[in-house]
Amino acid sequence: GENVEQHPSTLSVQEGDSAVIKCTYSDSASNYFPWYKQELGKRPQLIIDIRSNVGEKKDQRIAVTLNKTAKHFSLHITETQPEDSAVYFCAASSEGNTPLVFGKGTRLSVIA
Amino acid sequence: DGGITQSPKYLFRKEGQNVTLSCEQNLNHDAMYWYRQDPGQGLRLIYYSQIVNDFQKGDIAEGYSVSREKKESFPLTVTSAQKNPTAFYLCASSQGGQYGYTFGSGTRLTVV
Repeated sequence: GENVEQHPSTLSVQEGDSAVIKCTYSDSASNYFPWYKQELGKRPQLIIDIRSNVGEKKDQRIAVTLNKTAKHFSLHITETQPEDSAVYFCAASSEGNTPLVFGKGTRLSVIA
Repeated sequence: DGGITQSPKYLFRKEGQNVTLSCEQNLNHDAMYWYRQDPGQGLRLIYYSQIVNDFQKGDIAEGYSVSREKKESFPLTVTSAQKNPTAFYLCASSQGGQYGYTFGSGTRLTVV
């Protein structure tokens, strides 16, 4: 089955700097890659996703890149703000209705 | 609550007791999922259902049971066979495997 590895497990950045979180996956059939943000004590919320027919997707300060050959995808947050502090999860799934497999999460701290 | 409601928010279980966690959605989603979240472990899949009256085991189904008698409802029972049930339980729904999940606000279960 699919296995998703996520790095780093914790990340601290200064406000205004960029943050990058990387994930690798094992199943070459995977073709849907969402990212979720979970603030302390709250539910995970979808922030951006990418499908395998594109290599990059941007939404304001957030971007996701995908390298299908290397089987890895990354989340990029630019001009970080204190409200970006949260746990971020990557996930992957293949075609059909197979459930998402999640990485173990990255705790991002943005220091003002 | 974003269309998917979990109750109760906090639940305490005595040794040897079965407890049931409720999950209801009004998003008309076919697929529903139960994940368990432990610190540093990410989200691990317990059970999922793609259609009414059908469900499949996830990676950590032992000690849990589910039912899917209505499209809107997917309750999870934590049985006495689950030896380490203390965790944060998240229910989610989606239009299918290639779409993002909407999560409920979670139930925190503690064994006393």
